[in-house]
Amino acid sequence: DAKTTQPNSMESNEEEPVHLPCNHSTISGTDYIHWYRQLPSQGPEYVIHGLTSNVNNRMASLAIAEDRKSSTLILHRATLRDAAVYYCILRDVVVGRDDKIIFGKGTRLHILP
Amino acid sequence: GAVVSQHPSRVICKSGTSVKIECRSLDFQATTMFWYRQFPKQSLMLMATSNEGSKATYEQGVEKDKFLINHASLTLSTLTVTSAHPEDSSFYICSAGTANSNQPQHFGDGTRLSIL
Repeated sequence: DAKTTQPNSMESNEEEPVHLPCNHSTISGTDYIHWYRQLPSQGPEYVIHGLTSNVNNRMASLAIAEDRKSSTLILHRATLRDAAVYYCILRDVVVGRDDKIIFGKGTRLHILP
Repeated sequence: GAVVSQHPSRVICKSGTSVKIECRSLDFQATTMFWYRQFPKQSLMLMATSNEGSKATYEQGVEKDKFLINHASLTLSTLTVTSAHPEDSSFYICSAGTANSNQPQHFGDGTRLSIL
């Protein structure tokens, strides 16, 4: 399985942007980059995903490096409710291959009021 | 709204009891569901892949006779922790989705199991 590397923890001030990095130097051409987050005492929730181009949705933006070996999840204006563990995960686009999600340690994001 | 419903959200029971946890996909059919276990301050650990109409696939080190998985329909998978002991106390989470990796997986809210 292709692996991802994320910082163990990060801190940000409330109402400021947050950039969460993820390295995936062994990514294959058929891997999608997915981000999930887990709030305390809840199951993970989907945040965003992409293949090659940058992506935006109501929750966040995903910036993907041109060589696809790294990506950055961007929260444009962090709130206290964004405090969570953020997981960067690779999922193979080939149907049936690697359907299961293997979680790494993720980045624990602390938001300071 | 939630697309995967997990029940119960919390269970407290005595050692030796068997506990069943249900995972339902609410508005889609899931041929595959996944069961995870999470200990405090740790990441989710995949326990098994639940396959509709066939046997579950267990990850290495997970006892299949201890953690019974049944996936009898396209919207329901159950995990039964048999003869639970205090070391089985954990947060159990299920997920479901399509086989298309261009679509997200949806996770339940988890079941906190406490064995006394």
